[in-house]
Amino acid sequence: SQTIHQWPATLVQPVGSPLSLECTVEGTSNPNLYWYRQAAGRGLQLLFYSVGIGQISSEVPQNLSASRPQDRQFILSSKKLLLSDSGFYLCAWSVKQGGGYTFGSGTRLTVV
Amino acid sequence: AQSVTQPDIHITVSEGASLELRCNYSYGATPYLFWYVQSPGQGLQLLLKYFSGDTLVQGIKGFEAEFKRSQSSFNLRKPSVHWSDAAEYFCAVGSFSGGYNKLIFGAGTRLAVHP
Repeated sequence: SQTIHQWPATLVQPVGSPLSLECTVEGTSNPNLYWYRQAAGRGLQLLFYSVGIGQISSEVPQNLSASRPQDRQFILSSKKLLLSDSGFYLCAWSVKQGGGYTFGSGTRLTVV
Repeated sequence: AQSVTQPDIHITVSEGASLELRCNYSYGATPYLFWYVQSPGQGLQLLLKYFSGDTLVQGIKGFEAEFKRSQSSFNLRKPSVHWSDAAEYFCAVGSFSGGYNKLIFGAGTRLAVHP
């Protein structure tokens, strides 16, 4: 069966520090991968999606970047965190067409 | 453009009472429709999905949803709510666009359950 792993679960980082969040999927190949952010009291905002290795699309301009160095690995990064980057970050995967998303357990990021 | 509206931000029900969470969507073709549930500090779990066929869809945890094309709605129901159902619920509409599955989520409905 397919599983999705996301880490760390919580992270407290100072303003201006770098960020790296990792997401891996097991039990499937060539998935679509997604990063979402959920700010406090707000809905889900799609940040990035990837349909293949090295293929990243950004939905909104921001201080973050994403990379997909391997088929089932998706990384969210920042060179310098801002206070506004605080939130709950969710990774998800899907099949290529016609399915829903399976979400990871999320990372709670607090920038102080 | 696709959109999803969940008109109720917060709903409070008593344990054992029935529940209906509303979802309206905007989409030009037959949509894929989903309901997800999120417990505090957790990821989203798929409750049920509609792709085609029978418009009444059964999901996990005793939930069901009905697709009504004429009303552009996909409301979630449960006949008897349990305290453990307290969570946030998200409706989503999906399409295959630009080479990927695109899901648009509603803003969510937070459900509180009184004992």
